[in-house]
Amino acid sequence: ETGVTQTPRHLVMGMTNKKSLKCEQHLGHNAMYWYKQSAKKPLELMFVYNFKEQTENNSVPSRFSPECPNSSHLFLHLHTLQPEDSALYLCASSQDNDRNYGYTFGSGTRLTVV
Amino acid sequence: GENVEQHPSTLSVQEGDSAVIKCTYSDSASNYFPWYKQELGKRPQLIIDIRSNVGEKKDQRIAVTLNKTAKHFSLHITETQPEDSAVYFCAASWNSGYSTLTFGKGTMLLVSP
Repeated sequence: ETGVTQTPRHLVMGMTNKKSLKCEQHLGHNAMYWYKQSAKKPLELMFVYNFKEQTENNSVPSRFSPECPNSSHLFLHLHTLQPEDSALYLCASSQDNDRNYGYTFGSGTRLTVV
Repeated sequence: GENVEQHPSTLSVQEGDSAVIKCTYSDSASNYFPWYKQELGKRPQLIIDIRSNVGEKKDQRIAVTLNKTAKHFSLHITETQPEDSAVYFCAASWNSGYSTLTFGKGTMLLVSP
């Protein structure tokens, strides 16, 4: 593991289900991110949390709801999803101060909506 | 916002050849440019990065060059090996108090033995 752990690794859910994705980092980073990775598309930023506060929401549909209870944990709550939401959901963390640093990614959750 | 274009989408080379992947960015305020490697079924991993105050950086067989005037940066892999086969992503960001990376679409590199 890299220090960023995502669970579950795979998830199949119906369009009426409610589920949550979990991300945990033990790197002491202060920023966490959710990205969506679909085939033949760039990694799409969904949410950014910096010092536990949401600082960016890239026009993500309300059926995706993030939660960041502390700087080490990040959740993505899912409800009434659509088949086109099937993708790999990647969590990442970074240490942000006055310089940019690269991300450490988790292994992702492969989501299939049926 | 930032827009990152990456080319080519697929690159096939013979083992031992060099590979070059190119990216352009739109926001002249961007000052940090990382490259990630993602092997099949695995997470993206940072392999090299460059900041806007340098023009080139090397790490063994990989190097990155940056042309701020033209707003493009490139990844160079020399003496390619089959284990270099993966999808490579470029990204760009500027310091806004947190690092929001904008990624390119990725390049699938295939190295044939």
